[in-house]
Amino acid sequence: DGGITQSPKYLFRKEGQNVTLSCEQNLNHDAMYWYRQDPGQGLRLIYYSQIVNDFQKGDIAEGYSVSREKKESFPLTVTSAQKNPTAFYLCASSLSQTDSPLHFGNGTRLTVT
Amino acid sequence: QKEVEQDPGPLSVPEGAIVSLNCTYSNSAFQYFMWYRQYSRKGPELLMYTYSSGNKEDGRFTAQVDKSSKYISLFIRDSQPSDSATYLCAMSDSGGGADGLTFGKGTHLIIQP
Repeated sequence: DGGITQSPKYLFRKEGQNVTLSCEQNLNHDAMYWYRQDPGQGLRLIYYSQIVNDFQKGDIAEGYSVSREKKESFPLTVTSAQKNPTAFYLCASSLSQTDSPLHFGNGTRLTVT
Repeated sequence: QKEVEQDPGPLSVPEGAIVSLNCTYSNSAFQYFMWYRQYSRKGPELLMYTYSSGNKEDGRFTAQVDKSSKYISLFIRDSQPSDSATYLCAMSDSGGGADGLTFGKGTHLIIQP
């Protein structure tokens, strides 16, 4: 079954710690994305990558970092510099950067205390 | 301006009713329109993907785009309790990727058995 796998489903961290969220896809999609979803605020783009070894900042990149060493994988690190890290994080992919809709994983709920 | 407006609801209807979900937008450059369904604690699932104006039907779902009025709709026929979810509209001027993709904040739909 092709799809996008995000792990873990729930993640708990202490304030001041960096944490890395995993995203793997076996859809052979070129482009991958990270969104953050907060109640009442909709989806906000953090980072996206069109090809391996290349990525761009989205609307709210501060306090986050990514890497794209393999086509299938696009991990997101939430650093201690992110002021409000508690949120639902969604990874998505699309066949290309244009003319193809996004497909989402099932998200990771991060709670930082 | 890439603003998309969507009534957050909740919208509560009895089982079997026809549901109408809507979004309005202000950017006349949008040409690609999407509807996603999101169950609680899950990622958004792509329901419909349409280009330009007109209707598209898929089973019990019909997507309608009126570019002259900057208004899109999703109709659900013979609604079922399993249709209870949050419905997100999304639109883009490039058809794919995240650059230029704008999401509504979602309408929470409840189908009463």
